[in-house]
Amino acid sequence: GAVVSQHPSWVICKSGTSVKIECRSLDFQATTMFWYRQFPKQSLMLMATSNEGSKATYEQGVEKDKFLINHASLTLSTLTVTSAHPEDSSFYICSARGGQGAGVSSYEQYFGPGTRLTVT
Amino acid sequence: RKEVEQDPGPFNVPEGATVAFNCTYSNSASQSFFWYRQDCRKEPKLLMSVYSSGNEDGRFTAQLNRASQYISLLIRDSKLSDSATYLCGRNTGFQKLVFGTGTRLLVSP
Repeated sequence: GAVVSQHPSWVICKSGTSVKIECRSLDFQATTMFWYRQFPKQSLMLMATSNEGSKATYEQGVEKDKFLINHASLTLSTLTVTSAHPEDSSFYICSARGGQGAGVSSYEQYFGPGTRLTVT
Repeated sequence: RKEVEQDPGPFNVPEGATVAFNCTYSNSASQSFFWYRQDCRKEPKLLMSVYSSGNEDGRFTAQLNRASQYISLLIRDSKLSDSATYLCGRNTGFQKLVFGTGTRLLVSP
């Protein structure tokens, strides 16, 4: 149990375009999903916390109009990077925190495999 | 001061060696901590939780020192496969995790 997927695993886009990244909990219902960003040789930085059916809570310094988060169901959250620029190139990772599912801890965060975004 | 600080390394050790990393935190009210392992270009994977009484899992031992505000990870009998970046995570309120920059470990034959 506790498998989280992300799609796409990597994407290259042109500056000014928007990119949508999906995060799915495959075998459990996630009450909360988190979006992180990691630049090379740096730590994972939390961008926002997403609860199903409510607005995401963004961390300080993260533009909510640029990074749109939708958490439409207990198994799916999406992050849309709008009007992407080269400085948005990064490794975006989601995680999901439990709810209901066999073999799933309600306090542990389960990470997706990440999406590598390159903006040219 | 950063919320969670780690020596980035790299720590270069031979196979079979014992190696230890520390991670300091600034918020004395922090309640729970974790060690994650992250391989290059991969997502973090939970290695172990850190309890007040310490935690041991095979070759890995984690300790929490509240007085000095640090947690440690000890790896005994290092294997080549232990080469990775080890992230220290602190659980804030609302179940959010704050990570350190990670400590890179390289185990050589």
